[in-house]
Amino acid sequence: DAGITQSPRYKITETGRQVTLMCHQTWSHSYMFWYRQDLGHGLRLIYYSAAADITDKGEVPDGYVVSRSKTENFPLTLESATRSQTSVYFCASSAGARVQPQHFGDGTRLSIL
Amino acid sequence: AQSVTQPDIHITVSEGASLELRCNYSYGATPYLFWYVQSPGQGLQLLLKYFSGDTLVQGIKGFEAEFKRSQSSFNLRKPSVHWSDAAEYFCAVGGGNEKLTFGTGTRLTIIP
Repeated sequence: DAGITQSPRYKITETGRQVTLMCHQTWSHSYMFWYRQDLGHGLRLIYYSAAADITDKGEVPDGYVVSRSKTENFPLTLESATRSQTSVYFCASSAGARVQPQHFGDGTRLSIL
Repeated sequence: AQSVTQPDIHITVSEGASLELRCNYSYGATPYLFWYVQSPGQGLQLLLKYFSGDTLVQGIKGFEAEFKRSQSSFNLRKPSVHWSDAAEYFCAVGGGNEKLTFGTGTRLTIIP
């Protein structure tokens, strides 16, 4: 089915571990985004990508790494997880070069012990 | 820099009553404005958007919003809420680039 899928839906890991969250979209949208959602903060942009091999920092990029070798995939990696990175992570995509509605995945709930 | 304020963290409304959720934005030029809804355990779904033209925009699920430039507001309304409208609602603003800035959300509770 067309859409945007995130995996895993739930993840528990320990501090210091590396963890990668996956995001895949089937619309061929040029733009993809990673957000984290925390109580009292709404959604905050971590990284975004305008096209394959083009990425840029958002509001809260520290501790995260992204890549985009293919248009449809946009993985987010926590290289050395910290407890402050416990959150719900959402991937989104949008079409077009100007502001367009973003389409969201169902999120990954990440707990770091 | 663009910003969004949703002054109401939590609103409780009786089923069948009218609803208005407030959103105030800050942006130097004409903004692009959005309302999203998030049901528990799910991602955000677009309710409606304003880019230009008619300042009263209609969305899905019977929602509408009105852009008021003089008040820097984009309030969401529904004439009669249903129990299924219970969710979290986010207002977002975009400007000259592709990024959106989201408000902190308003949680809507519906009582019978």
